[in-house]
Amino acid sequence: EAGVAQSPRYKIIEKRQSVAFWCNPISGHATLYWYQQILGQGPKLLIQFQNNGVVDDSQLPKDRFSAERLKGVDSTLKIQPAKLEDSAVYLCASSRWDRFYEQYFGPGTRLTVT
Amino acid sequence: TQLLEQSPQFLSIQEGENLTVYCNSSSVFSSLQWYRQEPGEGPVLLVTVVTGGEVKKLKRLTFQFGDARKDSSLHITAAQPGDTGLYLCAGMLTGTASKLTFGTGTRLQVTL
Repeated sequence: EAGVAQSPRYKIIEKRQSVAFWCNPISGHATLYWYQQILGQGPKLLIQFQNNGVVDDSQLPKDRFSAERLKGVDSTLKIQPAKLEDSAVYLCASSRWDRFYEQYFGPGTRLTVT
Repeated sequence: TQLLEQSPQFLSIQEGENLTVYCNSSSVFSSLQWYRQEPGEGPVLLVTVVTGGEVKKLKRLTFQFGDARKDSSLHITAAQPGDTGLYLCAGMLTGTASKLTFGTGTRLQVTL
C-alpha cells in the first residue's frame, strides 16, 4: 500500500510570511496527526483528527497555526504569520482506528524561517 | 517536564558492541511503541508492547515493557552501522485512547 505523502519536502520563508503543508494519509486510515519535531528531539503533537473532526488540538498555537481535514482524507496545516521558532520538521502520520493506533509517518517537511 | 524521558540522549559505539536504551516515566501506559527515525525520514514503527513484563524480539533488537508499565528498554546486540538513527519511545496513557506521547529520543551512531 502507498505510504503517507507530504509536500513540500523543504520550504524556506521569511518571518511573518505564511506557509502551508499538505498531507495525504494511507487509504482507510481514519486518524491523522500533525507533529512538530525540533532537530534531535521527539515529535510534539500539534493536532489530531478522527475522520474530519478534531480530537486534540491542545498544543496547537491557534493564534498562528490552523489545520483542516476536509472530507476526512487529505489535510493541510498552515502557519500565518511564521516566526523564527517555527523552524522545524513538520510530520504527518496516520493510523487505523484500532486498539494501538500504530502510526505511519510521512517523510516530513523541513521548514526554515529566516 | 517531559512525560517520557529517554537515556542516554546520545550514544556512539563501534560495530559489534551491545547497547541498551531506556525509556522512563512516572505515569502508567496502556501500551508503548518504539520507533526508529533516519535522517530526512519520518519515524518507522519497530514494535508495540502491551503487557507488563512483556519481552519482544526483533532479530538483534530486544524490547521489554516494565512490570508496572511505566518504563521500557531496548537492547541491541552486536550493533551494525545500519542501526544508526534516532530511537523514539512513545506511550499511550491509560484512558487517553489514540494519543501517543513521544519520548525525548536517543540518537545512536554505530561506526565501523
